[in-house]
Amino acid sequence: SQQGEEDPQALSIQEGENATMNCSYKTSINNLQWYRQNSGRGLVHLILIRSNEREKHSGRLRVTLDTSKKSSSLLITASRAADTASYFCATAQAAGNKLTFGGGTRVLVKP
Amino acid sequence: NAGVMQNPRHLVRRRGQEARLRCSPMKGHSHVYWYRQLPEEGLKFMVYLQKENIIDESGMPKERFSAEFPKEGPSILRIQQVVRGDSAAYFCASSGTSSETQYFGPGTRLLVL
Repeated sequence: SQQGEEDPQALSIQEGENATMNCSYKTSINNLQWYRQNSGRGLVHLILIRSNEREKHSGRLRVTLDTSKKSSSLLITASRAADTASYFCATAQAAGNKLTFGGGTRVLVKP
Repeated sequence: NAGVMQNPRHLVRRRGQEARLRCSPMKGHSHVYWYRQLPEEGLKFMVYLQKENIIDESGMPKERFSAEFPKEGPSILRIQQVVRGDSAAYFCASSGTSSETQYFGPGTRLLVL
């Protein structure tokens, strides 16, 4: 698989439920970032987690990083219809370096 | 503080024409990255520039594509003799010195007829 592969590819949930998506990568990293992209729009930065961190929170978002398994997860709690978007993880092998993106998880939150 | 700006937002070209995409980074940012996104796919890195320098162009196609970030003015991604396969969304991102977070512009959607 490619660096930064998301799983599942698509997710459909009801408003109020939690959404969890995973990202796996192959090489060592300096940091991992999650982005959201609404249809036909640009990317919005959600959260960055460094290789020496295990968990970070931002509002309704919770990100974990397991460097031994080379994987990360993004949890969106109490989802809202406005959370409907594609979510991408991206890894950087060094600070300030290029980002390698996965294929994304398409999340649909039904009202 | 304005975000990353890209123009045009949409660009239509016929095969064989040239496409010029412009990117103005966030104020105070000196690092610019260009990425390409095909429909239903993630972004693919193309090139990383700092003022007047190309730092990493490992993702740039060998021919027809070039990028610059002059001392004054926006960064330019130039595609010569466009082909249908160049149709995609092109995103620019910027970051500050020693900053890890990249902030993305709204993208330029290129359609080659």
